[in-house]
Amino acid sequence: AQSVTQPDIHITVSEGASLELRCNYSYGATPYLFWYVQSPGQGLQLLLKYFSGDTLVQGIKGFEAEFKRSQSSFNLRKPSVHWSDAAEYFCAVGTSGTYKYIFGTGTRLKVLA
Amino acid sequence: DAGITQSPRHKVTETGTPVTLRCHQTENHRYMYWYRQDPGHGLRLIHYSYGVKDTDKGEVSDGYSVSRSKTEDFLLTLESATSSQTSVYFCAISESKEQVYGYTFGSGTRLTVV
Repeated sequence: AQSVTQPDIHITVSEGASLELRCNYSYGATPYLFWYVQSPGQGLQLLLKYFSGDTLVQGIKGFEAEFKRSQSSFNLRKPSVHWSDAAEYFCAVGTSGTYKYIFGTGTRLKVLA
Repeated sequence: DAGITQSPRHKVTETGTPVTLRCHQTENHRYMYWYRQDPGHGLRLIHYSYGVKDTDKGEVSDGYSVSRSKTEDFLLTLESATSSQTSVYFCAISESKEQVYGYTFGSGTRLTVV
């Protein structure tokens, strides 16, 4: 069955530290992969997406993610976290010909001053 | 989010009453979606629409119905609300069936069924 796993429910990092949020997927076809961010009380905002080409993709707010087919992973990274990055992050997977995505359960990021 | 609005933003209703949530977009996107968000479950698809009067069920459609009579409006109805439908509901829009562009989400409706 198709699935998306975000193994970390909560992550706490200090401001200025590097960040990596994990996402693993199980999908039969070539996936489209997305990361979204949700600030408290808000909807989800698209950070970045991958559907072909270069496996390292750049997004907004200084985030990047790398698609590793051999590991079925699409981990989100940021070299230096800012206090404003505290939010919940969702990984999502879709595929060509379908109308919808599957979302992971989210990782809540806390940033320490 | 710009171009997509949900109403109401908050609602408290009693068990057994009907409830309709509205999603309105000004982007002229063909594809519209209703998700619910619950702790530990992420976002789960309730229903989606791929055109006017064209809708289909998602993974958690029981107890919900939808209608889309105009491109810009997608309504979600709980025919008889239950406490298990207490949730945050998000509408999303997409311009492409191929899903390469991602979704644009509304700000959500927090529904409490008492």
